[in-house]
Amino acid sequence: DTGVSQDPRHKITKRGQNVTFRCDPISEHNRLYWYRQTLGQGPEFLTYFQNEAQLEKSRLLSDRFSAERPKGSFSTLEIQRTEQGDSAMYLCASSLKGTGYGYTFGSGTRLTVV
Amino acid sequence: GIQVEQSPPDLILQEGANSTLRCNFSDSVNNLQWFHQNPWGQLINLFYIPSGTKQNGRLSATTVATERYSLLYISSSQTTDSGVYFCAVGGYNKLIFGAGTRLAVHP
Repeated sequence: DTGVSQDPRHKITKRGQNVTFRCDPISEHNRLYWYRQTLGQGPEFLTYFQNEAQLEKSRLLSDRFSAERPKGSFSTLEIQRTEQGDSAMYLCASSLKGTGYGYTFGSGTRLTVV
Repeated sequence: GIQVEQSPPDLILQEGANSTLRCNFSDSVNNLQWFHQNPWGQLINLFYIPSGTKQNGRLSATTVATERYSLLYISSSQTTDSGVYFCAVGGYNKLIFGAGTRLAVHP
């Protein structure tokens, strides 16, 4: 068990460019979550998958954001036409379905839009 | 939506001191977790504790669900305890995080 892996760790992009982040959850975890954290704040929920199904999306996830989890394994989060306000840490977490299971977070992808 | 308030917002301790962090939430929840975010940004799950009491080494947590609060106790603090402690509440599909308690432990 290597934990939750996120790639890349850092991404600097110019405003208007598209970016894609990847998350590899713990292999036996069937739930996967994306959160966004800005400086000095707690993480904010973006979206949640159970297996390959995207079951909930936050209003924070504008139409420029899309997330997928093909085959219920890894997940990708794409941001189109990036804006400076998208600069943040993007965190992925996974968990087992059911009660009593906490989240395991990855190390995050820090996005800077210049 | 559910409101989560953590106190104190900042805490400075000498190594070896004990502390209590508090989390109040505005509605009944079936999921409550405590996390530690270290200075490198990694979020570590400390406890899954929607009710009751749990202990793990120098850390323990108690949630009184009927009164909508949770407490995290840190005993004999060490410099490695520094960072931000988050309480997060909600259901099984998402968590709402508080603003955190920033802890600095000095040698």
